[in-house]
This record gives sequence, C-alpha cells and structure tokens, in this order.
Amino acid sequence: AQSVTQLDSHVSVSEGTPVLLRCNYSSSYSPSLFWYVQHPNKGLQLLLKYTSAATLVKGINGFEAEFKKSETSFHLTKPSAHMSDAAEYFCVATMEYGNKLVFGAGTILRVKS
Amino acid sequence: DGGITQSPKYLFRKEGQNVTLSCEQNLNHDAMYWYRQDPGQGLRLIYYSQIVNDFQKGDIAEGYSVSREKKESFPLTVTSAQKNPTAFYLCASSMTKNQPQHFGDGTRLSIL
Repeated sequence: AQSVTQLDSHVSVSEGTPVLLRCNYSSSYSPSLFWYVQHPNKGLQLLLKYTSAATLVKGINGFEAEFKKSETSFHLTKPSAHMSDAAEYFCVATMEYGNKLVFGAGTILRVKS
Repeated sequence: DGGITQSPKYLFRKEGQNVTLSCEQNLNHDAMYWYRQDPGQGLRLIYYSQIVNDFQKGDIAEGYSVSREKKESFPLTVTSAQKNPTAFYLCASSMTKNQPQHFGDGTRLSIL
C-alpha cells in the first residue's frame, strides 16, 4: 500500500538558516509528489509538485525539493528561513491511478528570531 | 478571482442534529473532495467526486453524506451518526486526477 512518512513532527530553525523537512514515500510505482503549506485556520497551499519531468523541483517562496527514487525520498529545503515560513507542511503523494492523494502527518516548522 | 469558498467558517452542532457544510468552486474543475483534519493526523478523505452526479466514498465516509448536482458545488452533510464530528473540514478541487488539488479555507465544526 502507498504511504507517506514525514520524519519529523516538529522542526525549529533560526531565521536566516537553512530549512530541511524530510519526507519518504512507499509506492509500487512512481507517484506524483507534492508539498503543501498550511497556515493556522487556513486551507492548504501548493508549494511545488514533482511529476517525473525533473528530479529537482523549484516552488514558490524559495522552496525546492529533490526526488530521489533510490532513497524513495522527496525532502523539502529552503536556503534561508523567514519568519513567515512558520506553518505546517504536508508531503503528499498520488495513489495508483491518481484518483486520491495520500497525506503525510505533517511537519510543524517553527522559525525563531 | 477563481477559488474555492467554504462556508460557514465556524459551525456548531447539537446532539442528534445534521449539519451541512457548503463548498463552491469557480475554477471549472471536474473533481471535488472533502477531507477531515484532526491534530497530528494529516488529512483523511471523506468523499470525492470526479464528475457531476457521481461520487465515491473515501477512507472515513461513515456518518457523512454528499451530493454533486452541479459542477461547482459539493456540499457535505455531517449526520447524527457521526459520533465524533469535531474537526476541521477542508474541501478541495482539481482539474482531473493527478493534478494538484486546490483547497478552501476550511470549516471548523464543534459540538455544543
């Protein structure tokens, strides 16, 4: 069965330092992968998506993610954290045939000044 | 601006009462989805619809019902059979399967 595991439930960084949010997936085929961000009491906003065109994907707000098939990983990074990046982040994969999404449990990012 | 509108933002339910959450989209998307979000559990799929007048159960459909009479509308009814309805409910839509889903700002449902 397909599954998505976000390895950290909480990550804390200082403003201006790099961000790394880790995600591993389990799938019997090559899924489409997404990262979404959710601010408190809001819906989810798409940061970036991987659909097999390129392994390094650039998204909005300076975020990027690299698809590594050998490691079944899709980690999200940003070179320099900003206070406005504090939010919850979800790694998401399509299930077989793409009808439904599988969500990770989420990683809460805290940015310290 | 195109988007998804969920209403109301906050909703309270009495014991034994059915309540309906509204979801409207003007993105001309074929597919629509309802999710339930509980702290620390990510999102779980309640129902989805790929086309008008058709919908399928998701992973946690018990105690919920939906309809899809119009392309732009996908209301969710939380029935009295749902014994633990307190949660944040999110509606989403996408052009087709495999496309990213666009989300509304959610409805927070609580028990009185």
